[in-house]
Amino acid sequence: DAGITQSPRYKITETGRQVTLMCHQTWSHSYMFWYRQDLGHGLRLIYYSAAADITDKGEVPDGYVVSRSKTENFPLTLESATRSQTSVYFCASSDEGGGHTDTQYFGPGTRLTVL
Amino acid sequence: QKEVEQNSGPLSVPEGAIASLNCTYSDRGSQSFFWYRQYSGKSPELIMFIYSNGDKEDGRFTAQLNKASQYVSLLIRDSQPSDSATYLCAVIGKNNNDMRFGAGTRLTVKP
Repeated sequence: DAGITQSPRYKITETGRQVTLMCHQTWSHSYMFWYRQDLGHGLRLIYYSAAADITDKGEVPDGYVVSRSKTENFPLTLESATRSQTSVYFCASSDEGGGHTDTQYFGPGTRLTVL
Repeated sequence: QKEVEQNSGPLSVPEGAIASLNCTYSDRGSQSFFWYRQYSGKSPELIMFIYSNGDKEDGRFTAQLNKASQYVSLLIRDSQPSDSATYLCAVIGKNNNDMRFGAGTRLTVKP
């Protein structure tokens, strides 16, 4: 199916473990984004990518690592998970990445709990 | 001061009324402004964007932008219970490639 998918949809892990959240889009959009959403903070940008092999930090990058070897995939890794990283993570993609008419299309989200 | 501020609500309006959602932003150089709707447990979806001062209408939705006051609003006419959701204001700054979101306003439309 076309669109943007995330896996897993739900994940429970323990403090200190490495966790990778996957994001896949079929539109061949140039830009991809990772956000986290916490109550009272709204969506906050973690990292974004303008193209394969090009990534840049967003508002809250500490504790996260990204890579983009292929246009369609943009995995997010928590190298050593902490309780403060318990959140809902959304991946998004767009064709313009900051243009006036930029429309970001969001995946269904991954609910991550760090115990 | 947050970059993008919204009243968290909840905002409650009766069916058929006009719902008015407000957003202020701190970066005077901000270029583009977006309204997203997010149903509970779902992902955000774009309603509309605006980048020129004034009003922009799309069906029952009207976005209003006043750059001098650093203020953007969304009006929903003839509100329906299906409009009950959280509305997120988002801003792209002059020198940013990234979008900054407000915390959202929760709207409830009562039948």
